[in-house]
Order: sequence, then structure tokens, then C-alpha cells
Amino acid sequence: GNSVTQMEGPVTLSEEAFLTINCTYTATGYPSLFWYVQYPGEGLQLLLKATKADDKGSNKGFEATYRKETTSFHLEKGSVQVSDSAVYFCALSEATGANNLFFGTGTRLTVIP
Amino acid sequence: GAGVSQTPSNKVTEKGKYVELRCDPISGHTALYWYRQSLGQGPEFLIYFQGTGAADDSGLPNDRFFAVRPEGSVSTLKIQRTERGDSAVYLCASSSGQGRKAFFGQGTRLTVV
Repeated sequence: GNSVTQMEGPVTLSEEAFLTINCTYTATGYPSLFWYVQYPGEGLQLLLKATKADDKGSNKGFEATYRKETTSFHLEKGSVQVSDSAVYFCALSEATGANNLFFGTGTRLTVIP
Repeated sequence: GAGVSQTPSNKVTEKGKYVELRCDPISGHTALYWYRQSLGQGPEFLIYFQGTGAADDSGLPNDRFFAVRPEGSVSTLKIQRTERGDSAVYLCASSSGQGRKAFFGQGTRLTVV
């Protein structure tokens, strides 16, 4: 079946620190992979995505590379800001255009000044 | 509207009661999704509408859960004979078509006491 295993939090970092949030997946076929972010008081937002192996998704300084050999899609950012404090969810869909997403449990990131 | 709107934002109900949760998608979005997020978990897919019809209801946990979208816009998630285990945040998302970027609402927090 399809599942996503995500690094458990919470994660607390100082401003300008390097961020990695690990995500691995199990899927049948060739899934698309996503990172969603939920800022305090807001709905889930798509942060970035990758639809095939070796693709790199990037947005707002965040990056994640679709690694088929390790079934991973780790989220990274070189220098976090206080405004990056949020809950981050890794997710997959069975294929591009599939109807539903399978989410990880989420990782809460707090960035302190 | 500007975004996906869900009402009410909070709902407290007694065990055994019937509840309805409403989702107003972004105007013109044909695809609509319902997810359920239990405490400490990621969102879990419930049902997907394309237009007025439920194209995929494989995530509905049992026959106490039902959703409609009679005019292809607003959707209502209905839960009969609520149980304490139904307590969760119910999320709605819409997109301009299958596989397109989904926009999430802020959710309805349902508490069954």
C-alpha cells in the first residue's frame, strides 16, 4: 500500500540554521511527492512537489529531491527564518493526476530568533 | 470566493447526534476533496468529487459518513450517530481539476462529547 513516514518533531532551530526534515515513502507504481506547510491559523498550502525520480522541487528557499533508490523526499533549507515556523507535511499521490493524497504525520518546526 | 471556506470552524456535539459540515470551494473549481485529520496525525483522504458526483469515496470509514455536492459547488459532509472517535479536524480542499494544485480550507474542528 501507500504510506509516508516522516521525521517526528518537534524541531526547534535558531534563525539561519540549516533545516532537514526526513521523509520516506512506500508506494505502488510511480508516485508524485509533495511537501505541504501549515502556518499558524492557516490552511494547508502546497510548498513544493516532484513528479518523477531525480526531480527537485523548490520554493521559498526550500528544496526536496525525489530519490527513488532510497524512496525519500527530504526537505531542506539552508537558512531558516522565524517566519518558517509551521507544521510541515510530506505527502504522496499514487500518480500524477491521482485523486487523493497520503500524508505523513507532520513535523512542527519552531525557529527562534 | 478568495479561498476555500469551511463552516463552522468549531463544532461540539453529543455522542449519537447528527452533524453537517459545510465546504465552499474556490469559485469555478470542479474538484473537491474531504480529508480528516485526527490529533497528531496527517490528513486522511475521505472522498473526492468531480462536479456533482463522488468519483472516489474509498476513504469514507463507514456508512455513518456521507457527503453531497448537489450543484457542483458547495459540499456538505454528513455524519450520523456521531462517536467520540469521530473527533478530528475535517479539511476540505478544491482544485481546478483532477491532479491540479489543491487549495485547502482551515478546517472544521469536530468534538464529540
